[in-house]
Amino acid sequence: TQLLEQSPQFLSIQEGENLTVYCNSSSVFSSLQWYRQEPGEGPVLLVTVVTGGEVKKLKRLTFQFGDARKDSSLHITAAQPGDTGLYLCAGVRSGGSNYKLTFGKGTLLTVNP
Amino acid sequence: DTAVSQTPKYLVTQMGNDKSIKCEQNLGHDTMYWYKQDSKKFLKIMFSYNNKELIINETVPNRFSPKSPDKAHLNLHINSLELGDSAVYFCASSPTINTEAFFGQGTRLTVV
Repeated sequence: TQLLEQSPQFLSIQEGENLTVYCNSSSVFSSLQWYRQEPGEGPVLLVTVVTGGEVKKLKRLTFQFGDARKDSSLHITAAQPGDTGLYLCAGVRSGGSNYKLTFGKGTLLTVNP
Repeated sequence: DTAVSQTPKYLVTQMGNDKSIKCEQNLGHDTMYWYKQDSKKFLKIMFSYNNKELIINETVPNRFSPKSPDKAHLNLHINSLELGDSAVYFCASSPTINTEAFFGQGTRLTVV
């Protein structure tokens, strides 16, 4: 059973389009992180969301943490080819002594010029 | 300056061999990790060390043995390599447990 479900798994769009990718779970998280991974590189942190309902913006990227802290979304406005990459969400479950930063399987985004 | 560096970047070896991957971080972080990314890009944690002490040891074959000589280094030794070990292995570090992870560039291991 996958703790964090990401959708869609693959997304191919044209430059200038908007898109939203989702990260869902039945578990509550103390925080959720979003990473972008480009081919041949390691994941790079984009943002961390901590508070239920929190919205963070990073230029054309908008991240939202669900009110119940079980899900998150990433919205990209006017996508550009440079946004191409694998988008990963990761989180640490609330409570207990579980120190694992668990990753979803990712959304592979391709933005075509 | 590279924050998290791992060597080698590519490793091609035959089944049955023993190999090591080295990782160093110069960020002053307390926590270091090894992750395995399979061909479908799923990133799964293998081990985590905090201040040189093992705190996470996932269900990984005991052919995999991490070693942390100091807080800045976490090496991964693999015995009797198998075809299924082929993957990209990422080292990462974070300031402390449960905080954001900084990843190395990965080591692409191919077992033939």
